[in-house]
Amino acid sequence: KAGVTQTPRYLIKTRGQQVTLSCSPISGHRSVSWYQQTPGQGLQFLFEYFSETQRNKGNFPGRFSGRQFSNSRSEMNVSTLELGDSALYLCASSGGLVDNEQFFGPGTRLTVL
Amino acid sequence: AQKVTQAQTEISVVEKEDVTLDCVYETRDTTYYLFWYKQPPSGELVFLIRRNSFDEQNEISGRYSWNFQKSTSSFNFTITASQVVDSAVYFCALRWIQGAQKLVFGQGTRLTINP
Repeated sequence: KAGVTQTPRYLIKTRGQQVTLSCSPISGHRSVSWYQQTPGQGLQFLFEYFSETQRNKGNFPGRFSGRQFSNSRSEMNVSTLELGDSALYLCASSGGLVDNEQFFGPGTRLTVL
Repeated sequence: AQKVTQAQTEISVVEKEDVTLDCVYETRDTTYYLFWYKQPPSGELVFLIRRNSFDEQNEISGRYSWNFQKSTSSFNFTITASQVVDSAVYFCALRWIQGAQKLVFGQGTRLTINP
């Protein structure tokens, strides 16, 4: 079974631009969660999508948004990039039930210049 | 509010030594899950173990063991006879059972095993 894939793996943008990151979950999984990892703030939950609906949301500004498609693939968008958005963005997939495990992808490393 | 604290930022030991990574958590919820993840240099988080709040039984898996003590809100992780391949950042995390898939992570402990 293929694991969670994230594209692109590396990205360099400049302040003010926007960026879209993609996550393909494990086949059959319906839940996709996104996390931001920075040296200062550690790993923080962004949001979770389940069956195309946002089910849970972390404490991030509205510049961070996401969506999920009918095939469970998810995209995360960050608009008006700031230097502080430089981070490793991790995606996790699960079956979505309360006792399902989450499996993480390799992440997308975003650098904002 | 939920919070996970890993007080040890970095640990360095010599190969074959035993090492314990500490994790203390705070939650008002009575039902929750606790996790440990390993993050090698490649960046991917690798799931190691999940424990639910009803089950305080300790667990051993090969060289890894976990000690869950609800009375002290701790969920410590011990590696016995450490190996260089164990070098990584280890994260403890908490998830409310009714809280969908939202994980609250500790700050992580960077473990270095020296040959």
